[in-house]
Amino acid sequence: GAVVSQHPSRVICKSGTSVKIECRSLDFQATTMFWYRQFPKKSLMLMATSNEGSKATYEQGVEKDKFLINHASLTLSTLTVTSAHPEDSSFYICSARDRDRGNEKLFFGSGTQLSVL
Amino acid sequence: GIQVEQSPPDLILQEGANSTLRCNFSDSVNNLQWFHQNPWGQLINLFYIPSGTKQNGRLSATTVATERYSLLYISSSQTTDSGVYFCAVKGWNNAGKSTFGDGTTLTVKP
Repeated sequence: GAVVSQHPSRVICKSGTSVKIECRSLDFQATTMFWYRQFPKKSLMLMATSNEGSKATYEQGVEKDKFLINHASLTLSTLTVTSAHPEDSSFYICSARDRDRGNEKLFFGSGTQLSVL
Repeated sequence: GIQVEQSPPDLILQEGANSTLRCNFSDSVNNLQWFHQNPWGQLINLFYIPSGTKQNGRLSATTVATERYSLLYISSSQTTDSGVYFCAVKGWNNAGKSTFGDGTTLTVKP
């Protein structure tokens, strides 16, 4: 149980385009999901907390107009990188807590490698 | 916010060796997890261990919450243990967010 599916796993796009990344909890409900960015050989940097049915909470320094987050249901959160530029190239990972397990453990998607040309 | 330090940053072992990874944190926590990130980027839960000791096969972990540290033990290491090990903690006043350490990169050589 507790599987988080993230798609796509890899995307290459041209500068100026927008890219949407999906994060789904397959066998549990997640009122809260988290989006991270990871640079090579670095730790995970929390970008935002995605709350079902309400606006996301962004970390300091993260542009909310650049990284749009939507959490429309208890099993789906999306991150849209708008007008992507080469500096947005990175590994993006989502995670979720299982609401019915008392929000204890974090479960992660497999990540999305974004390359902006 | 809460600070998390992991040591060592890098570790190279021969297959079959044992190792201990450490995670120090700066404040009281109500949630601590150890993760393994494989070479393809997937993070796998190893332990949820805000206190006490747990074992799962060749891996075990101990958290001494009063002294603000946790240890991850890997015994009889295998090449498939290679990757990055992260400790993530959540403080009592952290609004549900977990803070990650910088990780320990483990390389197990055959």
